[in-house]
Amino acid sequence: GNSVTQMEGPVTLSEEAFLTINCTYTATGYPSLFWYVQYPGEGLQLLLKATKADDKGSNKGFEATYRKETTSFHLEKGSVQVSDSAVYFCASDSGGGADGLTFGKGTHLIIQP
Amino acid sequence: NAGVTQTPKFRVLKTGQSMTLLCAQDMNHEYMYWYRQDPGMGLRLIHYSVGEGTTAKGEVPDGYNVSRLKKQNFLLGLESAAPSQTSVYFCASSEGQGPGTQYFGPGTRLLVL
Repeated sequence: GNSVTQMEGPVTLSEEAFLTINCTYTATGYPSLFWYVQYPGEGLQLLLKATKADDKGSNKGFEATYRKETTSFHLEKGSVQVSDSAVYFCASDSGGGADGLTFGKGTHLIIQP
Repeated sequence: NAGVTQTPKFRVLKTGQSMTLLCAQDMNHEYMYWYRQDPGMGLRLIHYSVGEGTTAKGEVPDGYNVSRLKKQNFLLGLESAAPSQTSVYFCASSEGQGPGTQYFGPGTRLLVL
């Protein structure tokens, strides 16, 4: 089955620093890839997604590029803010979309002013 | 438009007790999912449904049952709760086949003593 591996935190950065959270996946088919964000006490919200190789998903200053050759989907942001503090989950589907998402373990991001 | 709602928000059970978690969505989505979130484990799929009257097992189905009698509702049942089922439970829904975004509810925190 599919699996997703992401760097585990917590990751602590200063405001305006550059952010990278690594994510790699294994899959037998052609999955779509997702980044979800979870703020304290809330459910998960979709941050961005990419559905095929070389696609770039972007939202709220965050970007991630679907790299089939390295099976990666790293999340980046050029200048983080305190409000970006949250837990970030990388996820993949099975390619068909029916049988749920496979999640990484999550990366807790802490941004200090 | 409330999106995905879950009841209850929090519950304490004694070992052996039963309960039902309710998930409701008002987006007319075909697919619905139940996940559990445990520290350091990310989210794991318990059961899912691809339409009214259908259910299927996910990664960790043991000890749980589900029903989808109405398109908008997806119930998760614990017949005899165990301490290992202490977790945060999230419901999600998506439109249907293909790389659709999953929309998550706010979660139900369950403590089994």
